[in-house]
Amino acid sequence: AQSVTQLGSHVSVSEGALVLLRCNYSSSVPPYLFWYVQYPNQGLQLLLKYTTGATLVKGINGFEAEFKKSETSFHLTKPSAHMSDAAEYFCAVSASSNDYKLSFGAGTTVTVRA
Amino acid sequence: DAGVTQSPTHLIKTRGQQVTLRCSPKSGHDTVSWYQQALGQGPQFIFQYYEEEERQRGNFPDRFSGHQFPNYSSELNVNALLLGDSALYLCASSLGFTVGEKLFFGSGTQLSVL
Repeated sequence: AQSVTQLGSHVSVSEGALVLLRCNYSSSVPPYLFWYVQYPNQGLQLLLKYTTGATLVKGINGFEAEFKKSETSFHLTKPSAHMSDAAEYFCAVSASSNDYKLSFGAGTTVTVRA
Repeated sequence: DAGVTQSPTHLIKTRGQQVTLRCSPKSGHDTVSWYQQALGQGPQFIFQYYEEEERQRGNFPDRFSGHQFPNYSSELNVNALLLGDSALYLCASSLGFTVGEKLFFGSGTQLSVL
């Protein structure tokens, strides 16, 4: 079975500062990894995904994540936070191409200070 | 182009009642997945429908059932409601059921069980 642990349920950053959201996964097979963002009263929106190939993945809105197999991690970063980045972020994993469900972490709420 | 639409947006029921939630997938999508998101938690996979059949199911009791129609829309039914069923129910659509396909989420139905 696969699972995801997001370290830190809340992260507060200043506008213009680095955003770093941590995600560690457990999977018995090479995983497919995702980051989703959820704005208030909205559904989830895909930020980026890793399936195969390059381990540094670039997503929308300036976010990127790096798959590190040795550390079983898929941390999300953005060099410079913007007020519009305030939202809840979810890391998710799927075990293989035959496992269609996503297993989500508990989420990290990001607040951005002016 | 309409995205994923869910109805109703909010619903209040009492314990023991039955509820039906509805989802229309994004235009061109043929696969629908349902997730339950309890307050303060990440979404949990309920089941996925493709070609009018349940393709995969998460760890939810048989009180949770679903259906997909020929036009790809879907319903989620929950019988004998419990207080613990109170949650945001998210529908996600995709083209095909291979993992990694970009999931498009609706804004959800907020179910409150009193």
